[in-house]
Amino acid sequence: EADIYQTPRYLVIGTGKKITLECSQTMGHDKMYWYQQDPGMELHLIHYSYGVNSTEKGDLSSESTVSRIRTEHFPLTLESARPSHTSQYLCASSDLAGLAQETQYFGPGTRLLVL
Amino acid sequence: GQNIDQPTEMTATEGAIVQINCTYQTSGFNGLFWYQQHAGEAPTFLSYNVLDGLEEKGRFSSFLSRSKGYSYLLLKELQMKDSASYLCAVNTDKLIFGTGTRLQVFP
Repeated sequence: EADIYQTPRYLVIGTGKKITLECSQTMGHDKMYWYQQDPGMELHLIHYSYGVNSTEKGDLSSESTVSRIRTEHFPLTLESARPSHTSQYLCASSDLAGLAQETQYFGPGTRLLVL
Repeated sequence: GQNIDQPTEMTATEGAIVQINCTYQTSGFNGLFWYQQHAGEAPTFLSYNVLDGLEEKGRFSSFLSRSKGYSYLLLKELQMKDSASYLCAVNTDKLIFGTGTRLQVFP
């Protein structure tokens, strides 16, 4: 059972607000990821991190930013939310540990609705 | 470019066997994953293949042919709770997901 948590689970917010989506994992995993997924659609990688102080942009352009100050914590911030940001945001983590298999474990997701 | 193809939807009957195919063309290959995702929930890990052949895990099996860029997920003795989306994902330096196959199991 993976121990990766996301808060809030659901968020309804007005346009222009600043929001931070929290993601924490207690497995000591080095790699963490943020995906965006619209209902019935594929997952798109928007940010990832190899470890503390490492952040990279993913394949899908996003107006969000991330930080990785602690191994267990990988928050995602939207400075000014817009209706186009309405989506589900999924956080995941994986352990390098010198193995080829890097199984990603997903958090429960945050459903964001921007009005 | 990176390309992963899966059928969009499949239907099957409870107790039957279903095979979900996945073909891929990626720059780099460090293994292929299958994930299950129920509607509104997060993906959960099902299987991993990095060498050619069949990996069996209970009712689920996954097959890989690297030379053909092909994998399949085999689900046996289908149950209603197997109704979900099944995501094929290839590990390059990142995990590239297919669009998923939505499987509906009918009684």
